[in-house]
Amino acid sequence: EVQLVQSGAEVKKPGESLKISCKGSGYSFSTYWIGWVRQMPGKGLEWMGIIYPGDSDTRYSPSFQGQVTISADKSISTAYLQWNSLKVSDTAMYYCVRQEDIVAHFDCWGQGTLVTVSS
Amino acid sequence: NFMLTQPHSVSESPGKTVTISCTRSSGSIASNYVQWYQQRPGSSPTTVIYEDYQRPSGVPDRFSGSIDSSSNSASLTISGLETEDEADYYCQSYDSSNRVFGGGTKVTVL
Repeated sequence: EVQLVQSGAEVKKPGESLKISCKGSGYSFSTYWIGWVRQMPGKGLEWMGIIYPGDSDTRYSPSFQGQVTISADKSISTAYLQWNSLKVSDTAMYYCVRQEDIVAHFDCWGQGTLVTVSS
Repeated sequence: NFMLTQPHSVSESPGKTVTISCTRSSGSIASNYVQWYQQRPGSSPTTVIYEDYQRPSGVPDRFSGSIDSSSNSASLTISGLETEDEADYYCQSYDSSNRVFGGGTKVTVL
């Protein structure tokens, strides 16, 4: 069974750093793109960016370029989303998603990681 | 960059049909595939339609997708509405540099 399992909920203070993870199983992790999608409380879905674990080719949404870093370690089938300095406005649910190719639909979603940033 | 505009909400009785529109602001709707995702409360989204009209295995044939170039929009139609269809639905498409979601439509089954 194809699965994406994300790390647990986080509570952080403004200015702190954070790295959340997404572990793939049941398929060849290196040969599918992994993306990240943000959903702020009570709001819609926003695409953040995507990475191809096979060669670490990474693309960002213009809205998130420079705000986050996407990375992957294919040896442990895990992708990451990282912030260097969190803001209160980063409070959201973050989903990782799998794509067969860069324009394919998101055919598998993680369970989501809730990030709460509050002073 | 472009936007995808959806109605905020639609409601209908069980057994009826609802259609959700998704209008692309610039660029042709036919140039890039449109996907539709269903998100039930408290759950991750799942695909109900991909590549304009394709249904993943396990999605009932009550769900169908279409494209209308004259209005530059895509549509998701749910026929024979069931209570389990109550959810938020998001359209999604892309261009060379971005993947864009519509704002979402809340479907209420009366």
